[in-house]
Amino acid sequence: DAMVIQNPRYQVTQFGKPVTLSCSQTLNHNVMYWYQQKSSQAPKLLFHYYDKDFNNEADTPDNFQSRRPNTSFCFLDIRSPGLGDAAMYLCATSRGAGSYEQYFGPGTRLTVT
Amino acid sequence: GENVEQHPSTLSVQEGDSAVIKCTYSDSASNYFPWYKQELGKGPQLIIDIRSNVGEKKDQRIAVTLNKTAKHFSLHITETQPEDSAVYFCAASMSGGSYIPTFGRGTSLIVHP
Repeated sequence: DAMVIQNPRYQVTQFGKPVTLSCSQTLNHNVMYWYQQKSSQAPKLLFHYYDKDFNNEADTPDNFQSRRPNTSFCFLDIRSPGLGDAAMYLCATSRGAGSYEQYFGPGTRLTVT
Repeated sequence: GENVEQHPSTLSVQEGDSAVIKCTYSDSASNYFPWYKQELGKGPQLIIDIRSNVGEKKDQRIAVTLNKTAKHFSLHITETQPEDSAVYFCAASMSGGSYIPTFGRGTSLIVHP
């Protein structure tokens, strides 16, 4: 049974056209993360929520925004995608802060044309 | 902040051989060290983790060792099989404070039948 679900699995958008990626979880975890992963690289943290508290990484471009309307759902909004934003976007959850296992979703592959 | 170095970047072995992947970390306050396996087109999945109060942990063919003094930890896979082929990431995190895991750059393991 899928615990962290990401939709869609594949997304194609045009340069500059806003796009939203979604993530849902059945684990009731407090923390949700969004990562960007480019080919042959480690996941790069964009931001995370601890409950409703939003934490943005210092080097995350303003072009990336996030919403967490409730415990189960979290969204990644890319306001004006550029070619450099093409990547795999991974959502993850963890029960709490600190030394807890992260559960990753299958990812959304974003293509920008 | 924490810095995690991972080596080698690529590891090629014959089926049945052992594989060892090594990571070092910089922050002595880190106390949780997970290892994730990422298969092509999928999100990372936890395969084993270790906390700083133990030096070794084993789960069937997979083991992890931790040397707190030297600040390094290693993943050992014995009797490798073709389905072990994937990218493996180590990570380090700590309870409280700056608790977001820091990932290594990944090791691409190729097991030849």
